[in-house]
Amino acid sequence: EAEVAQSPRYKITEKSQAVAFWCDPISGHATLYWYRQILGQGPELLVQFQDESVVDDSQLPKDRFSAERLKGVDSTLKIQPAELGDSAMYLCASSQWTGGSTNSPLHFGNGTRLTVT
Amino acid sequence: KQEVTQIPAALSVPEGENLVLNCSFTDSAIYNLQWFRQDPGKGLTSLLLIQSSQREQTSGRLNASLDKSSGRSTLYIAASQPGDSATYLCAVRPQGGSEKLVFGKGTKLTVNP
Repeated sequence: EAEVAQSPRYKITEKSQAVAFWCDPISGHATLYWYRQILGQGPELLVQFQDESVVDDSQLPKDRFSAERLKGVDSTLKIQPAELGDSAMYLCASSQWTGGSTNSPLHFGNGTRLTVT
Repeated sequence: KQEVTQIPAALSVPEGENLVLNCSFTDSAIYNLQWFRQDPGKGLTSLLLIQSSQREQTSGRLNASLDKSSGRSTLYIAASQPGDSATYLCAVRPQGGSEKLVFGKGTKLTVNP
């Protein structure tokens, strides 16, 4: 079964440093999501792409976070500078959604566990 | 603003027991509701998706129901096994806008052998 690939699996960084995470969605999935999950909480959406366009980035802290999906396939999420409160699991997901009232399930990768010291 | 609540936060049962996990949401205007499983340190695995027009979905020992008007869903697990131990997350897709899921905090299930 096709999977969403994420790397790295774990990342430890010092505060004020820059970090980047990579995601490769399931082939053919138009929509890609980055979620952040703080320990003990449910995931919260940071940014959603449809192809290469941003659909929703209302919860993305734009002063330090950036995301791109230049060719509408894989995506990179960057944090600069990292803060202690950014320690969390960063999950990437993809779906076949292309707009409208469809019922496309989301498929998640295994995530990147970020620890900021 | 849509809010999703899952009760209980943690549940411990002996192997073989049937159990029910609860999920409630504040706004009934949803397209669908999805149940996920999350193992420690891992991503989410989709278990069941119930469309707003459906009442329930079944997969093996799992059965999920949806009562949209009352804002409730339940996940029933029959004959629980130690391998079912995980955190179970409920998420709804609100109507309108992007296909953004709103998640609950999850129920951590432990099945004791």
